[in-house]
Amino acid sequence: SYVLTQPPSVSVAPGKTARISCGGDIIGVKSVHWYQQRPGQAPVLVISYDTDRPSGIPERFSSSKSGNTATLSITTVEAGDEADYYCQVWDSDIDHVVFGGGTKLTVL
Amino acid sequence: QVQLVQSGTEVKKPGSSVKVSCKASGDTFSGYGIIWVRQAPGQGLEWMGGIIPMFDTTHSAQDFRGRVTFTADESTDIGYVELSSLTSGDTAVYYCARSSVRGTTFQAGDSWGQGTLVTVSS
Repeated sequence: SYVLTQPPSVSVAPGKTARISCGGDIIGVKSVHWYQQRPGQAPVLVISYDTDRPSGIPERFSSSKSGNTATLSITTVEAGDEADYYCQVWDSDIDHVVFGGGTKLTVL
Repeated sequence: QVQLVQSGTEVKKPGSSVKVSCKASGDTFSGYGIIWVRQAPGQGLEWMGGIIPMFDTTHSAQDFRGRVTFTADESTDIGYVELSSLTSGDTAVYYCARSSVRGTTFQAGDSWGQGTLVTVSS
């Protein structure tokens, strides 16, 4: 089955840029969606269809793809960005939503 | 802006079934799918499956096939998931989300319910 690979953790100082990777076979041809989940809360969509930012999501959040990797970037990181982040695609081979394992972002 | 409100905490015995509901307000499920995702304590997100009411289409994750049912009542904008043959391994928070669709595929979950804790214990 299709696998999305994320680093378990990323740490960044306030004001710096955080980059969270999501690796998967031929991810370039799939639409990638990203979610933020703060402790004890439901996930929130922060990027859809590779690059679209839903209403209310700051411009500091963006995403890109290169080769077999998608990357979520968060510029000028704030303490409030500390959360788990998940990437997600649709696997058309088995008609299945696939989530990455999640990355815990720590703001130092 | 749609809001999804889920039914309350459930405590179930092993071998029993649970049914969780998800009601949309402020907007509808029309033109969207409803997906169900669960999260065991300290773990990541696990997709269970979902339903696209306008096509009367369901998809289920392989791990749940045979014991999960997804339904939706379009007249009341409520979605349901029912999981049977419960074990302690099904103890988790269960989330619904409204999902954009592309044809009969699920894409982005743009709004999520608050989550329903299901505890399976003898």
